[in-house]
Amino acid sequence: AQSVAQPEDQVNVAEGNPLTVKCTYSVSGNPYLFWYVQYPNRGLQFLLKYITGDNLVKGSYGFEAEFNKSQTSFHLKKPSALVSDSALYFCAVRHDRGSTLGRLYFGRGTQLTVWP
Amino acid sequence: DAEITQSPRHKITETGRQVTLACHQTWNHNNMFWYRQDLGHGLRLIHYSYGVHDTNKGEVSDGYSVSRSNTEDLPLTLESAASSQTSVYFCASSPTSGGRTYNEQFFGPGTRLTVL
Repeated sequence: AQSVAQPEDQVNVAEGNPLTVKCTYSVSGNPYLFWYVQYPNRGLQFLLKYITGDNLVKGSYGFEAEFNKSQTSFHLKKPSALVSDSALYFCAVRHDRGSTLGRLYFGRGTQLTVWP
Repeated sequence: DAEITQSPRHKITETGRQVTLACHQTWNHNNMFWYRQDLGHGLRLIHYSYGVHDTNKGEVSDGYSVSRSNTEDLPLTLESAASSQTSVYFCASSPTSGGRTYNEQFFGPGTRLTVL
């Protein structure tokens, strides 16, 4: 069965410091992984995805994520956090087999707060 | 510009009433999804569709129904609204290209539904 875990409900970081939002996954077959961001009262916005290839994926707004197959992780990172990065972040894994082709399974979300 | 819209953005209804939430996308995407977002649960899939006249149940489909009569629309109906269905509802769509569906999903702005 496909699943995603975001072990931290909340991450707090000072502006200018590096940030990491953690995600681990469980999937049968090849993992197709996604990060989304949700600002207050808005829908989810796509940040980046890993399908295949380079383990370091670069996305929008200076975010990147590192795929680690041995640790089944796909942590979201940014070298220098901004106050405007404060939002709810979701990791998702895509199921690509059988009748549930294309479904995304989301983690519970991690609230990132960047203080000035 | 192509987009995905949801209406209404806010809805208050009473227990037992039938409610329909609209979702409309202008990207001509084959795949459409309905999620609900609740604190502590992240996003959970209600129903999804891979094309016209195709509908499938997600993990929390009880009490909900969808129909897909054209590519652009996937309305979500609550047959008899219950207080447990108070939530924020998101519609999403994604394209199919080359017979594969690796693409990310694009989300609407959400509908906040309150069932009294």
